[in-house]
Amino acid sequence: AQRVTQVQPTGSSQWGEEVTLDCSYETSEYFYRIFWYRQLFSGEMVFLIYQPSFDTQNQRSGRYSVVFQKSFKSISLVISASQPEDSGTYFCALSELDYGNEKITFGAGTKLTIKP
Amino acid sequence: DMKVTQMPRYLIKRMGENVLLECGQDMSHETMYWYRQDPGLGLQLIYISYDVDSNSEGDIPKGYRVSRKKREHFSLILDSAKTNQTSVYFCASSLYWGVAEQYFGPGTRLTVL
Repeated sequence: AQRVTQVQPTGSSQWGEEVTLDCSYETSEYFYRIFWYRQLFSGEMVFLIYQPSFDTQNQRSGRYSVVFQKSFKSISLVISASQPEDSGTYFCALSELDYGNEKITFGAGTKLTIKP
Repeated sequence: DMKVTQMPRYLIKRMGENVLLECGQDMSHETMYWYRQDPGLGLQLIYISYDVDSNSEGDIPKGYRVSRKKREHFSLILDSAKTNQTSVYFCASSLYWGVAEQYFGPGTRLTVL
């Protein structure tokens, strides 16, 4: 069973619009973190933002923010004022601490295209 | 300039040959990771290393082993490579496990014929 699910395999938006990418996950841990990464067309992976489970405040970093719905085990990445350079594949990743080891699970990704 | 490097970037091997993928980082990060990425899938964790000689299996360790003798270097070894190990392999590092973001290398595209 998928532990991290990104239901949108692809998405598109117009330049300047706000974009929302969804991610849901399964965990029984109290402490965990959700990371968002973007994979460029070159294959390079770039860190965008992360949300710790113990923080009820939605995190923000520049044009990126998240909407964290802990009780639903759901988190969305919001990109404001989208630009063509934001095109790429977006991955959410669940990081848990399991008996002293880190367990990391990535979603399958959402390929986003921003049209000029 | 903080950087994770991977060598080689492209590699073609025959089934049954041994494969060595190298990863380096210049940030003195404690934790390093090896992933593989297959088309349409996210990254799957092969191994994680918490520091020198402190390695732990990830989700798909079968067919792989790792070596970390210096903090800045982490190697992935495929003994007798198989065709289903054809993939893109990514190395990553983070300052501390579980609490910090990961920095990724550019990836190695491995083809096993």
